[in-house]
Amino acid sequence: ILNVEQSPQSLHVQEGDSTNFTCSFPSSNFYALHWYRWETAKSPEALFVMTLNGDEKKKGRISATLNTKEGYSYLYIKGSQPEDSATYLCAFVDSSYKLIFGSGTRLLVRP
Amino acid sequence: DSGVTQTPKHLITATGQRVTLRCSPRSGDLSVYWYQQSLDQGLQFLIQYYNGEERAKGNILERFSAQQFPDLHSELNLSSLELGDSALYFCASSMTGNEQFFGPGTRLTVL
Repeated sequence: ILNVEQSPQSLHVQEGDSTNFTCSFPSSNFYALHWYRWETAKSPEALFVMTLNGDEKKKGRISATLNTKEGYSYLYIKGSQPEDSATYLCAFVDSSYKLIFGSGTRLLVRP
Repeated sequence: DSGVTQTPKHLITATGQRVTLRCSPRSGDLSVYWYQQSLDQGLQFLIQYYNGEERAKGNILERFSAQQFPDLHSELNLSSLELGDSALYFCASSMTGNEQFFGPGTRLTVL
């Protein structure tokens, strides 16, 4: 059984704080790791698709790193803003292109 | 607006019935993915099609089937519906290996 774990489950931070979350996934049969941002009552929005060990990707104040050998990825948000409040999902894609999602980290940024 | 369209937005039906959900991908995207989000459950990957062919299969029940047509739109058929099939069904599209763009979802209620 393949498991994708995300931690923490939820996080409350103050505006301006920097924060990070973890996604753990199987270290075998790796094809890709996706990060999504999902606001309430909207559809998931892709943040990053990561494929290479050691990959680092950045989009504005959000960045992500990938370690496929040990099976983890970190998502960082620098200087959190209230509009960053959302659930952040990671999805492990295996070598048969099957996607397995974590249960997400729910972030709330207080003004 | 992601460019992915799904119809209908809402569907209410009775147990035992059969429904068809429709998805039109973004122009140029060859891959279509179907996902289910049930109450209190995360996002579950159901199936992926690439240019008309099934590419990957997730946790899709035997009562469910999908296809992708020559014009690249896709349909998800759900039959012998049960109460537990009530969920939000998302379709997403991508150019293979790249970020996925999600549609607005179809909310299915089985009474």
